[in-house]
Amino acid sequence: KQEVTQIPAALSVPEGENLVLNCSFTDSAIYNLQWFRQDPGKGLTSLLLIQSSQREQTSGRLNASLDKSSGRSTLYIAASQPGDSATYLCAVPSNSGYALNFGKGTSLLVTP
Amino acid sequence: SQTIHQWPATLVQPVGSPLSLECTVEGTSNPNLYWYRQAAGRGLQLLFYSVGIGQISSEVPQNLSASRPQDRQFILSSKKLLLSDSGFYLCAWDPYGGGNEKLFFGSGTQLSVL
Repeated sequence: KQEVTQIPAALSVPEGENLVLNCSFTDSAIYNLQWFRQDPGKGLTSLLLIQSSQREQTSGRLNASLDKSSGRSTLYIAASQPGDSATYLCAVPSNSGYALNFGKGTSLLVTP
Repeated sequence: SQTIHQWPATLVQPVGSPLSLECTVEGTSNPNLYWYRQAAGRGLQLLFYSVGIGQISSEVPQNLSASRPQDRQFILSSKKLLLSDSGFYLCAWDPYGGGNEKLFFGSGTQLSVL
């Protein structure tokens, strides 16, 4: 069964810092990986979707990379802002193809 | 543009009472629809998915059921709630299914069973 792990579980940084969130998965036979953002008590918002043929995707200050062979993905946030404070989750498709296997997330706090 | 509506936002129910959570999607047709549950410390778990009207697949055995009476309507139900049914329930959709497109989530329902 596909296992998804996110490190660290929580992270606190001062505003303006660049930071990296990590995601690892046990089965490298994936065809994409998604990064989501979740604000407290809210639903998830898809930030970036990386197809298996791609190595990275960028959206504004966010850059996600994917290394299938090592079973890893990173989410890079440049020049962090207090508004970036949220939980960030990564997810990969399950073997059934319909379910997404989610990590437990990294809770990010950016302090002014 | 597409939107997803989920209600209610919060719900407190006694053990043994019935449950009905509703989710509707606008601005698209024939979406794939999903119910996820997020329990504290356990991450997100897929409960049900549907690729069309009347077609429901269950990922895990449980006390809940799902129905899709219309193309863009997905309902999560229970006849008798258990304490273990407490959690944050999220409806989601994607346009093509198979996990190859972005997944869009509703705002969630926080269910507390007492």
